[in-house]
Amino acid sequence: DAKTTQPNSMESNEEEPVHLPCNHSTISGTDYIHWYRQLPSQGPEYVIHGLTSNVNNRMASLAIAEDRKSSTLILHRATLRDAAVYYCIPIRGSTLGRLYFGRGTQLTVWP
Amino acid sequence: EPEVTQTPSHQVTQMGQEVILRCVPISNHLYFYWYRQILGQKVEFLVSFYNNEISEKSEIFDDQFSVERPDGSNFTLKIRSTKLEDSAMYFCASSENRLGGHSPLHFGNGTRLTVT
Repeated sequence: DAKTTQPNSMESNEEEPVHLPCNHSTISGTDYIHWYRQLPSQGPEYVIHGLTSNVNNRMASLAIAEDRKSSTLILHRATLRDAAVYYCIPIRGSTLGRLYFGRGTQLTVWP
Repeated sequence: EPEVTQTPSHQVTQMGQEVILRCVPISNHLYFYWYRQILGQKVEFLVSFYNNEISEKSEIFDDQFSVERPDGSNFTLKIRSTKLEDSAMYFCASSENRLGGHSPLHFGNGTRLTVT
């Protein structure tokens, strides 16, 4: 599976946009890019995923670079509840649910 | 919104004892998983389960571990003889389809296992 590089930590103020980057330069053509997050004392939570095109859902937007070697998770207006560890996980199409979690990015949101 | 539920939230056991961690996956999901997270470390895959058999397991999932779907709703993880290093948060997850990129995992909030 593709290796990922994410900043260890990022900070934002409440109601400001947040752009969380992820490098996945060894990604293969059939790997989907998934983002999960983990709030304190909770299990991981699915956020969004995509393959090539940018994606939007009620939680976030995902911008995928044209060469697919990087992606950015965008939280349009951060809230205190968005403080979590965010994981970028490339997933091969044939994977049977084996997600490889890295260290992720710890997002701190200031009121 | 349907969710994965896990019981108990916290389990304390003595080394060498057997423990069973229980999970109720989302009702229409077909694939089930266990992950664990030792304090301060990464979330690690243990096992995936489909159609009443193990689909894949990691090197962590040795003979001390077993999984079972005893009825139509529960999914359990048994640790036969617990060791101190089994102390961790154990997360159950389920997904609707085989994870081919289009089927996210839904995780429960975990069972904290403490082995003394």
